[in-house]
Amino acid sequence: AQSVAQPEDQVNVAEGNPLTVKCTYSVSGNPYLFWYVQYPNRGLQFLLKYITGDNLVKGSYGFEAEFNKSQTSFHLKKPSALVSDSALYFCAVRDPNTNAGKSTFGDGTTLTVKP
Amino acid sequence: GAGVSQSPSNKVTEKGKDVELRCDPISGHTALYWYRQSLGQGLEFLIYFQGNSAPDKSGLPSDRFSAERTGGSVSTLTIQRTQQEDSAVYLCASSLGGGTTEAFFGQGTRLTVV
Repeated sequence: AQSVAQPEDQVNVAEGNPLTVKCTYSVSGNPYLFWYVQYPNRGLQFLLKYITGDNLVKGSYGFEAEFNKSQTSFHLKKPSALVSDSALYFCAVRDPNTNAGKSTFGDGTTLTVKP
Repeated sequence: GAGVSQSPSNKVTEKGKDVELRCDPISGHTALYWYRQSLGQGLEFLIYFQGNSAPDKSGLPSDRFSAERTGGSVSTLTIQRTQQEDSAVYLCASSLGGGTTEAFFGQGTRLTVV
C-alpha cells in the first residue's frame, strides 16, 4: 500500500527566510511524487513532480523539492519565502507498480509567512 | 473554459435526501478522480476513472456513494440518503492519464447536510 506523511500541521517562517515543508512516503517500488498548493478559496494547483532522473526538481513560483530515496523523503523548499506563499500544501504519492493513476495525499501542511 | 468545472459550487441538503455532484473535466483528459476534503483533513480518495477501463471504486465509503462517467467525459457523483458525516468539499480532478501526469483540480462542491 502507498502512503504519505506530512509530519507538520503548521509551518511558520518570516518573509525572506528559507522555508521547508516536509514529506515522507511509503511505496513498494520507485515512487512518483507530487506537490500541490491550495490557496484560500481556490482549488488545488500543481507545483512540481518527481518521476525519474535528477533528484532536485524545480517547479512553479520558485519552489523546488529534493527526492531522497534512502530517507524516503520529498521535502518542498524555497530559498526566500514570500507572504503570498502562505497556503495549504499537499504532498502526494503514486506507486506505478500497483496504482498507476491513484494518488494518495498527505493531510496537508499550512504554511504561514509573516512580514 | 480550460479548467475542470464542478457544479454546484455549494449544496445544502436535508439529511436523507439524495444529491448529485457534477464534474466537467478538461477536454482530452482520459483520467478523472473524485476526492473528498473534510474540514481540517487531507484529501480522501473516492474513485478513479481511466479511459474505458473499469473504475477504481476502492475509496467509496459506503454503498450510498456511486459515480459514473458518461462518454469518457462528464462525471456525476451521487450520494444517496445523505448523512451529516457526508458534509465535506468534494473535489474532482482530471489528468492526461498515466501515472506520471499531474492532476488538475476543480474548485470543488461544498456539501452541507443539515
